[in-house]
Amino acid sequence: GENVEQHPSTLSVQEGDSAVIKCTYSDSASNYFPWYKQELGKRPQLIIDIRSNVGEKKDQRIAVTLNKTAKHFSLHITETQPEDSAVYFCAASPLMIKAAGNKLTFGGGTRVLVKP
Amino acid sequence: DGGITQSPKYLFRKEGQNVTLSCEQNLNHDAMYWYRQDPGQGLRLIYYSQIVNDFQKGDIAEGYSVSREKKESFPLTVTSAQKNPTAFYLCASSIENRNTEAFFGQGTRLTVV
Repeated sequence: GENVEQHPSTLSVQEGDSAVIKCTYSDSASNYFPWYKQELGKRPQLIIDIRSNVGEKKDQRIAVTLNKTAKHFSLHITETQPEDSAVYFCAASPLMIKAAGNKLTFGGGTRVLVKP
Repeated sequence: DGGITQSPKYLFRKEGQNVTLSCEQNLNHDAMYWYRQDPGQGLRLIYYSQIVNDFQKGDIAEGYSVSREKKESFPLTVTSAQKNPTAFYLCASSIENRNTEAFFGQGTRLTVV
């Protein structure tokens, strides 16, 4: 099955600096890569996703890049703000096979702390 | 609040007892999932269901059971066979057969005492 590794496990940045989180995956059939943000005591929520036909996607201060050859993808947060402090999870999902559903495999998470 | 509701928020169980966690959604999603969250290990898939009356084991199904008698409901039973049940449990749902956003419930924190 799929295996997703996420690094670093913790990340401390100064407000205004950039944060980068990297994930690698093992299953070459994976073609959907979402990122979820989980604030303390709250549910995970999707912040951005990318599909394998796209190499990069941006949404305001957040961007995700995908390298299918190397099987890795990254989340970039620019101009970090204190409200960006949270745990971030990457995930991977295979090609949509009827029996598989939207079976997401998650990375171990990165705890991001933005210091004012 | 989000369309997917888990209850209770906190649950305490004595060793050797079964306990059932509730998950209800009004998003008309076909697919529902149960994940377990432990510190430093991300979210691990316990069971998932793509349609009523059908479900599949995830990566860590041992000691758990589920049912899917209604589209809106996907309860999870943590049985006495689960060796280390203390964890945070998250239910999610999504549109079936598409790579789309999974919507999560608020979670249930289960503690075995």
